[in-house]
Formats: sequence, C-alpha cells, structure tokens
Amino acid sequence: EAGVTQFPSHSVIEKGQTVTLRCDPISGHDNLYWYRRVMGKEIKFLLHFVKESKQDESGMPNNRFLAERTGGTYSTLKVQPAELEDSGVYFCASSPGGAGRRAPYGYTFGSGTRLTVV
Amino acid sequence: ILNVEQSPQSLHVQEGDSTNFTCSFPSSNFYALHWYRWETAKSPEALFVMTLNGDEKKKGRISATLNTKEGYSYLYIKGSQPEDSATYLCATRGSNYKLTFGKGTLLTVNP
Repeated sequence: EAGVTQFPSHSVIEKGQTVTLRCDPISGHDNLYWYRRVMGKEIKFLLHFVKESKQDESGMPNNRFLAERTGGTYSTLKVQPAELEDSGVYFCASSPGGAGRRAPYGYTFGSGTRLTVV
Repeated sequence: ILNVEQSPQSLHVQEGDSTNFTCSFPSSNFYALHWYRWETAKSPEALFVMTLNGDEKKKGRISATLNTKEGYSYLYIKGSQPEDSATYLCATRGSNYKLTFGKGTLLTVNP
C-alpha cells in the first residue's frame, strides 16, 4: 500500500510569491489533514477534510492560505502571497473514515514539504 | 496542564542503556493518545495509539503506558540502539479528530 505522498519535498521562494503544495493521501482514506511545524515549535493543526468538504479549518493562519480537495482525492495547499513567517515543514496526513473518535488507528503522515520563504 | 508537554526536551544515552520519556496532557476532552517516531526529512512513523486508562502497548524494545485520569503517558525504550535516534512525538486526539502535539523529545543514542 502506497503511503501519503507530498510534493515538492522542498521549496524555496521569495516573499510575495505563490507556492502550491500537493498531498496524495492513502487511497480510500476519507480524512485528510494538513499540519505545519515551524522551527523550534510543535506541529500544529491547519485543517481537516472529510472527502471534499472542509470539516475544520480553525488552524488556518489567515486568508493567504487556501486548501482544496477537489473530488475528495488529492489536496492542494496554496500560500499567496508568501511571507517570511510561513517558512516551516508542512505535513499532510490521512486516516480512514467511518470509525468513531475513539478508533485506535493512527494517522499516516507524509514526509512533509519544507518551505523556505526568503 | 493546558497543552501537551513532553520531557525531557532532549536526551543523550549510550548504546545499551534503557530510557523513558514523559508526555503530559489535559485529561479533559481526551479520546486517544498517539506516539510517533520522527526522523528529519522522513514521515513521522506511528508507534502506538492508546485510548483507555491503563493501556499498555509494546512493539519490540519500545513500550508505552497511559494514565488518562492524571493525564500522562510514558514511552520506554529498552536497550537503546543508535538507530533509535530520532524525535519522539506525543499527540492527543480530542472529539474533533485533530491531533495536538507536544514539542517532542530528541533522543540521541551514542555507539
């Protein structure tokens, strides 16, 4: 079974430019999450999709961030325009649907996209 | 405790030593606790998911316990090996499915 795939693995862009990150979850996983780790801090939640719908986007920093999951398969996270404080590692994770909140399954993470804004 | 806290922040041990880390968390709105092992530039690897007070899980030389009433979990590594060097992340899952992470414990095992 293929894992969660993220592209690109690294991106260096200038302040003010636009970057789009992509995540391909495990096939059949209804739940898709975006997280971010800023250097020296903990990994923080950004948003949660259930299929193509945004279930929770309470962690999105501001309106420069736009996430989509057309068709309920892969997802993109666009940052426009990028600022210096957006630098960090962006992780995507997926989990199966249909189970309760106490389901003892882990979330499968991708290896992340390291974004550097200069 | 308001956040997920992990201690120590970093740890250096010699090959063959046994070690343990602590994860403390708010006991309210608790549904599950996750432990991950993470090496930089790789995917965080799921180690354990525990949901019930008193849960104990084991995977090879690594084991974990959970106390939901007092809000803590321990991760133990027996006979540490250099390949165990990584950041160990703890995260809680609440009613809204999202994970709240601690900052992690960076383990370095010297040969």
